[in-house]
Amino acid sequence: KQEVTQIPAALSVPEGENLVLNCSFTDSAIYNLQWFRQDPGKGLTSLLLIQSSQREQTSGRLNASLDKSSGRSTLYIAASQPGDSATYLCAGANDYKLSFGAGTTVTVRA
Amino acid sequence: SQTIHQWPATLVQPVGSPLSLECTVEGTSNPNLYWYRQAAGRGLQLLFYSVGIGQISSEVPQNLSASRPQDRQFILSSKKLLLSDSGFYLCAWNAGRENYGYTFGSGTRLTVV
Repeated sequence: KQEVTQIPAALSVPEGENLVLNCSFTDSAIYNLQWFRQDPGKGLTSLLLIQSSQREQTSGRLNASLDKSSGRSTLYIAASQPGDSATYLCAGANDYKLSFGAGTTVTVRA
Repeated sequence: SQTIHQWPATLVQPVGSPLSLECTVEGTSNPNLYWYRQAAGRGLQLLFYSVGIGQISSEVPQNLSASRPQDRQFILSSKKLLLSDSGFYLCAWNAGRENYGYTFGSGTRLTVV
């Protein structure tokens, strides 16, 4: 069974600082890894999808890396803004299913 | 383009009452469909998934059931709700191929009183 862990559970930074969110998974036989954003009381918005054959994926200020051999993924958010405040979830896809970490709640202070 | 619809957005139900949550996907065929639950302060838990009409896999034994009466329709039901069924229910779909990501609906906030 896939187990996904996210560290830290919460993070508070001043505006402009770079964010580093960590995700680890136990089963390296993932098809892909997906990062999501969740605002309070809302559904999940997909940020980045990294295929198992890829090492990283970028979208604007977001960059995610994937190291299958070590079971780790990292989400980098450059030059954080107050609008980046949200909970960030990583999820690994195995056997038709997506397994989630508990998330990292980010607060960016203006 | 593909879209996923989930309703209702919020629901307050008494203990012992029935439940029916519906999810539909547009713009694709034969999607894999999923129901997740997010309890207060907890992570997302996979409840059911379906890779085809009439095919349902249950991940966690519980008071809920799921059905897929049509290709792009997924229904979550309960005959008698428990307090512990309260939570945020999310429907998701996937194209069923390894290199495709998952797309989630906007969720249903269920409060059992």
